[in-house]
Amino acid sequence: GQSLEQPSEVTAVEGAIVQINCTYQTSGFYGLSWYQQHDGGAPTFLSYNALDGLEETGRFSSFLSRSDSYGYLLLQELQMKDSASYFCAVRDRDNYGQNFVFGPGTRLSVLP
Amino acid sequence: DSGVTQTPKHLITATGQRVTLRCSPRSGDLSVYWYQQSLDQGLQFLIQYYNGEERAKGNILERFSAQQFPDLHSELNLSSLELGDSALYFCASSVGSSDHEQYFGPGTRLTVT
Repeated sequence: GQSLEQPSEVTAVEGAIVQINCTYQTSGFYGLSWYQQHDGGAPTFLSYNALDGLEETGRFSSFLSRSDSYGYLLLQELQMKDSASYFCAVRDRDNYGQNFVFGPGTRLSVLP
Repeated sequence: DSGVTQTPKHLITATGQRVTLRCSPRSGDLSVYWYQQSLDQGLQFLIQYYNGEERAKGNILERFSAQQFPDLHSELNLSSLELGDSALYFCASSVGSSDHEQYFGPGTRLTVT
């Protein structure tokens, strides 16, 4: 089966840099994506990595190492509005067919 | 606003009942995905439809079913409801058949009493 692991909580201060790690174990692998979800809101797509390396989108960057089954989301110049839950997700294939699997989520608290 | 709409926003019903959740994808998107989010299970993929056909299936219960209509809107039917079915149900859409970039609707909060 599939499994993804993320830290449950991370705390940082405004203006800092924080890294949220994700390790995965899947039968197949079709890329790693990241979503942000504010309390009471819907998940919002942040980034996607299909190949090894770093993808940068503004203050957010995402990294993937397929050989290590590992990725991370890097948030720079943290702002209060970045306080949210962050989920990594993979597309996998199991006995039921293709399947989108989300990690348990990391709750980021940004302090003033 | 993602452009994905879901109705109703809230639904309260009793055990054993059946409900239908509705989703309209973003204009131009052909895929619709359904997810269940509860406190103890996280975000769980249920099922995906692409252009009217079932494309992928998660661990969706047999009591649950879905379909996508010719106008591309989708419905998720939940029957013989149990207390444990109480959750947020999200619909997402994307352009292609296997996109990681999905756009989520605001969700339907289902409470089973």
